Amino acid sequence: AQKVTQAQTEISVVEKEDVTLDCVYETRDTTYYLFWYKQPPSGELVFLIRRNSFDEQNEISGRYSWNFQKSTSSFNFTITASQVVDSAVYFCALRPAGNMLTFGGGTRLMVKP
Amino acid sequence: DTGVSQNPRHKITKRGQNVTFRCDPISEHNRLYWYRQTLGQGPEFLTYFQNEAQLEKSRLLSDRFSAERPKGSFSTLEIQRTEQGDSAMYLCASSPSPAGHEQYFGPGTRLTVT
Repeated sequence: AQKVTQAQTEISVVEKEDVTLDCVYETRDTTYYLFWYKQPPSGELVFLIRRNSFDEQNEISGRYSWNFQKSTSSFNFTITASQVVDSAVYFCALRPAGNMLTFGGGTRLMVKP
Repeated sequence: DTGVSQNPRHKITKRGQNVTFRCDPISEHNRLYWYRQTLGQGPEFLTYFQNEAQLEKSRLLSDRFSAERPKGSFSTLEIQRTEQGDSAMYLCASSPSPAGHEQYFGPGTRLTVT
């Protein structure tokens, strides 16, 4: 069975603080893909990043960075110098050999000015 | 690329009525997915099409739910004899081949069953 756990249900930070959103996954498949999506108050899920199980290189995109560690089955997401516009619910998702995405419960990030 | 569109955006219906939602995927995407999201939860997979073939269905998809993608383009999701527990956001997503590619989501249809 596949499972994604986002232990932090809600995080509140002040603008310009760095924040890390945790994601731990479970799968028996050796080939799989991991994703992060952002769901702003408008409701539409926005794709942020995809990682396959054979690529453990960390990635940085502007203020966003991702740390993938197979040894701990984690795929954490860090926002540097957070901004109010980063306020949203963030979902980590797993796609193993099948076609469906298994989502975590999401982390609500509130960035206060 | 106009993105995934869904209609209607909101639907209020009385228990026992039938409802139908429509999803138009990104035009060159041959894979289409339906998910359901309840308040405070992550989306849950319902079903998946590759072109016009429905290849996977979740156990969440009871007999009252049916989905079609007749010409491999748009898709419809019908719920018969709606129940209050069906109240949720219904999300559609599409992706191109090959498998593993990211899925692009539409804005969703929010269903309220009274």
